[in-house]
Amino acid sequence: GAVVSQHPSRVICKSGTSVKIECRSLDFQATTMFWYRQFPKQSLMLMATSNEGSKATYEQGVEKDKFLINHASLTLSTLTVTSAHPEDSSFYICSASSRTVSPYEQYFGPGTRLTVT
Amino acid sequence: QKEVEQDPGPLSVPEGAIVSLNCTYSNSAFQYFMWYRQYSRKGPELLMYTYSSGNKEDGRFTAQVDKSSKYISLFIRDSQPSDSATYLCAMSAIQGAQKLVFGQGTRLTINP
Repeated sequence: GAVVSQHPSRVICKSGTSVKIECRSLDFQATTMFWYRQFPKQSLMLMATSNEGSKATYEQGVEKDKFLINHASLTLSTLTVTSAHPEDSSFYICSASSRTVSPYEQYFGPGTRLTVT
Repeated sequence: QKEVEQDPGPLSVPEGAIVSLNCTYSNSAFQYFMWYRQYSRKGPELLMYTYSSGNKEDGRFTAQVDKSSKYISLFIRDSQPSDSATYLCAMSAIQGAQKLVFGQGTRLTINP
């Protein structure tokens, strides 16, 4: 149980375009979802936290107008990278949590590799 | 200085060896400590969760937390090739699944 999926797994886009990444909790309702990015050989860096039906809370240094997060339902959150540039190329991972499933665990998706050319 | 420091490795050991993975941290507010395992092209999965100082054992895995030294460890006994993965430590000052700060991850290979 507690499976999180992400789509797409890989995406290549041209500079200046926007890309949407979906994160779904498949078998539980996620009250909170998190978005991370991971550069090669570096740790996961939290970008934002979102609760269903509320605006996302962004970490310091993360541009909320560039990384649009929507958590429209208890099973779906989306991250849209707007006007992507090569420096946005990274591995984006989402996670989800639910107190009814576990009070302390985040369940991670498999990640999305974004390459901006 | 990073809040959490972890040697990225890579670390390569023979099958059956005892593996020791470590993280140090600087934020004394951290109370909740976790170890995640991440296989290639997969998301991290929780291995061990501990609160405050002390030891916790689960099968071949033992997690240790020394808050006085701001140092945590994960030991793997009788290591198996299937243990080959990247191991990430993570910490939080907040109870519940919130605001995790991750280490860089240590890439571990167990050689048959």
